[in-house]
Amino acid sequence: EAQVTQNPRYLITVTGKKLTVTCSQNMNHEYMSWYRQDPGLGLRQIYYSMNVEVTDKGDVPEGYKVSRKEKRNFPLILESPSPNQTSLYFCASSSNGQGDQPQHFGDGTRLSIL
Amino acid sequence: RKEVEQDPGPFNVPEGATVAFNCTYSNSASQSFFWYRQDCRKEPKLLMSVYSSGNEDGRFTAQLNRASQYISLLIRDSKLSDSATYLCVVEDNYGQNFVFGPGTRLSVLP
Repeated sequence: EAQVTQNPRYLITVTGKKLTVTCSQNMNHEYMSWYRQDPGLGLRQIYYSMNVEVTDKGDVPEGYKVSRKEKRNFPLILESPSPNQTSLYFCASSSNGQGDQPQHFGDGTRLSIL
Repeated sequence: RKEVEQDPGPFNVPEGATVAFNCTYSNSASQSFFWYRQDCRKEPKLLMSVYSSGNEDGRFTAQLNRASQYISLLIRDSKLSDSATYLCVVEDNYGQNFVFGPGTRLSVLP
């Protein structure tokens, strides 16, 4: 089954404790992206990747890092999480970076930073 | 001005009603447009792409007006299962950035 898989689905942690949210897709998609969704603000793009070893900042990259060492994986790293990063996070992928293909989303990861 | 704006909602309509959502975007160079639906606490799912000539999928019709930088979604004969938040998505910068509207919530009432 074609899918985007995020882990963990839920995480409660404390300020400053490094964490990684994994994202994996099995569709051989070139384009992958991370979003956060907050009430009243909608989905905002954090980082995206057009292909392996190619990453770029979205609208709200501060406090996050990503890597794209393999085509299927696109982890989101919070080196020193802070409470303002409490949010619902979605990973997404699409077949290419041309913009004419829709994105497939993972189930989401709900992070709470205390 | 926000890049993508949508009707603020929420829309509460009876079953069988026809409902229309509107979306405007600020970047005239945008090339691709989509409507997604998102159920509460779930991931967004593609509802339909929006083509220049307009397109229809069953009870759903999407229209694009490039001159006015406006996209619409029409739902006919609405069902209870149509209750969700509808997100307008605009691609900018040749697929390098997808901008989501804030969404419009629809509740279809029995």
